[in-house]
Amino acid sequence: ETGVTQSPTHLIKTRGQQVTLRCSSQSGHNTVSWYQQALGQGPQFIFQYYREEENGRGNFPPRFSGLQFPNYSSELNVNALELDDSALYLCASSLGGRDTQYFGPGTRLTVL
Amino acid sequence: RKEVEQDPGPFNVPEGATVAFNCTYSNSASQSFFWYRQDCRKEPKLLMSVYSSGNEDGRFTAQLNRASQYISLLIRDSKLSDSATYLCVVNNNNDMRFGAGTRLTVKP
Repeated sequence: ETGVTQSPTHLIKTRGQQVTLRCSSQSGHNTVSWYQQALGQGPQFIFQYYREEENGRGNFPPRFSGLQFPNYSSELNVNALELDDSALYLCASSLGGRDTQYFGPGTRLTVL
Repeated sequence: RKEVEQDPGPFNVPEGATVAFNCTYSNSASQSFFWYRQDCRKEPKLLMSVYSSGNEDGRFTAQLNRASQYISLLIRDSKLSDSATYLCVVNNNNDMRFGAGTRLTVKP
């Protein structure tokens, strides 16, 4: 096990709602990255947080936002949910942005 | 063109076979490279990092060719437990780009 945990494991929301996903990083890691993985695709980079600051962002709209706490845990917030937001959301922790990333088990979000 | 492209697969091989996966990337400034494996409905798990000098871990060998922007993974003596999706990953300035993955099924 990587020591990276995510909650909840599954979530069902309706279009237009807002959702918050949580991630606890591996002990000693100061960087958390978030990914969206649609069925049959590789994970797509959403953004990364390093020491509580956003440290890179992929091609996702502003309704995807996040933050990192002093203990390096992190949240991903998605506003105005769309049907296409249905996916597995993965967080990964690392010691620094370029270091090997270790993934949590993911949160499976379904938007109806 | 996708930033990271992999063999489309799927690969269906018998136990004991040798199988090779290829991956190309478009950003020549990419700094680090990895292979991850992902089992069905599970998270990706690091298989190995990839270095220019090539590296081996048991039955697995990874190679990187920076000039051709090409990464490979060779699996020798395939086991049933090797069945999974293999993801090629390229990192540039904290931005990890994943390929779509290649599915491998090893059959008895």
